[in-house]
Amino acid sequence: DTGVSQDPRHKITKRGQNVTFRCDPISEHNRLYWYRQTLGQGPEFLTYFQNEAQLEKSRLLSDRFSAERPKGSFSTLEIQRTEQGDSAMYLCASSHVGQGQQPQHFGDGTRLSIL
Amino acid sequence: AQSVTQPDIHITVSEGASLELRCNYSYGATPYLFWYVQSPGQGLQLLLKYFSGDTLVQGIKGFEAEFKRSQSSFNLRKPSVHWSDAAEYFCAVGAQGYSTLTFGKGTMLLVSP
Repeated sequence: DTGVSQDPRHKITKRGQNVTFRCDPISEHNRLYWYRQTLGQGPEFLTYFQNEAQLEKSRLLSDRFSAERPKGSFSTLEIQRTEQGDSAMYLCASSHVGQGQQPQHFGDGTRLSIL
Repeated sequence: AQSVTQPDIHITVSEGASLELRCNYSYGATPYLFWYVQSPGQGLQLLLKYFSGDTLVQGIKGFEAEFKRSQSSFNLRKPSVHWSDAAEYFCAVGAQGYSTLTFGKGTMLLVSP
């Protein structure tokens, strides 16, 4: 059973640059979630998809952030014009909804550092 | 809106001693409750979950947690801690029919020899 996969594991970029992260969920999972975790904090919800539909977005998700899940499989999270405050661990999780309640399973995250 | 409080930022336990990590939640109905563990630089691993039924739930690695509705708590316990248990532990709550999780700020567990 392959777990949730995230790429890259680490990203260092200069302020103002655009970055894109990828998440591959567990294959049979129809829900995919993005969270952000800053130092000393728990993960905070950003957005989630059911299949290809983006169903909810947090107020944390400014207009510089965009997420897609074009075919209901993998997802990308893009941050445009990065700022120092975007430095964080970006976590992806997936779950299956439809056969009772199932927990979310997390990937190892992408750590973003803004210079 | 739901919220989670983990009152202890750090806890140090001797190897072989018992462990209890505290978690209090705020939610108007019966919540879904979870404990996750995170090693440095890694993602979160699910330890155990409560959806309904028996209020004492067993998880992986010898962990258990008890849901106490009257105290709005879901404390994590382990009878004998191993050095490999040193990590950060997060409690999380989800609403029924949940789509998102709300996490506490975590408790860092240090294990002394």
